[in-house]
Amino acid sequence: DVVMTQTPVSLSVSLGGQVSISCRSSQSLVHNNGNTYLSWYLQKPGQSPQLLIYKVSNRFSGISDRFSGSGSGTDFTLKISRVEPDDLGVYYCGQGTQYPRTFGGGTKLELK
Amino acid sequence: EVQLVESGGGLVQPGRSLKLSCVASGFTFSNYGMNWIRQAPGKGLEWVAYISSGSSYIYYAETVKGRFTISRDNAKNTLYLQMTSLRSEDTALYYCASQTGSRYFDYWGQGVMVTVSS
Repeated sequence: DVVMTQTPVSLSVSLGGQVSISCRSSQSLVHNNGNTYLSWYLQKPGQSPQLLIYKVSNRFSGISDRFSGSGSGTDFTLKISRVEPDDLGVYYCGQGTQYPRTFGGGTKLELK
Repeated sequence: EVQLVESGGGLVQPGRSLKLSCVASGFTFSNYGMNWIRQAPGKGLEWVAYISSGSSYIYYAETVKGRFTISRDNAKNTLYLQMTSLRSEDTALYYCASQTGSRYFDYWGQGVMVTVSS
């Protein structure tokens, strides 16, 4: 199975600040078709997860351009700029390259 | 607007069975793959199972293989998860999630709680 490792486990940020979350996979996420199926999700307190980014760097419908994804192979990063109160919660990376699908352990974003 | 509404959860004794349902609306259900994903209390996300649009392809996590069965009824826009031989470690909030794009979970239901305890 592909193990997804997120760092840090938690992060404190001031409103308006910028943060980065790292996600590493135990194997390359490049599929045979050339695509890299790494996605990012945000679970706000008491809510279901929501898709933010798919295929490394593509923002899902309605997602602010303050969220950006980058990376390749086994190393990926989610950056959030100009952090707003609604950005707080737990962020997960997930891989869709092979079964079983796996997620990182999550990164909790809190206010400083 | 895409909506996924799960039901069928509850308190069940170890070894017993339970069947979850997820009714979809707002998209052409029969065209897309669907998933079940669970979250144990205070824990992270665990993918459970996937079924393709026409039920030709089905995959399971090793932790549930042989005990859980994913299925769908495209005429009823409904996804199912039949869970048997339930264990305490199956206690979780179960989400259904659509896969209308490619290999990512784009829409999620609100979740349904399953508690396995004597």
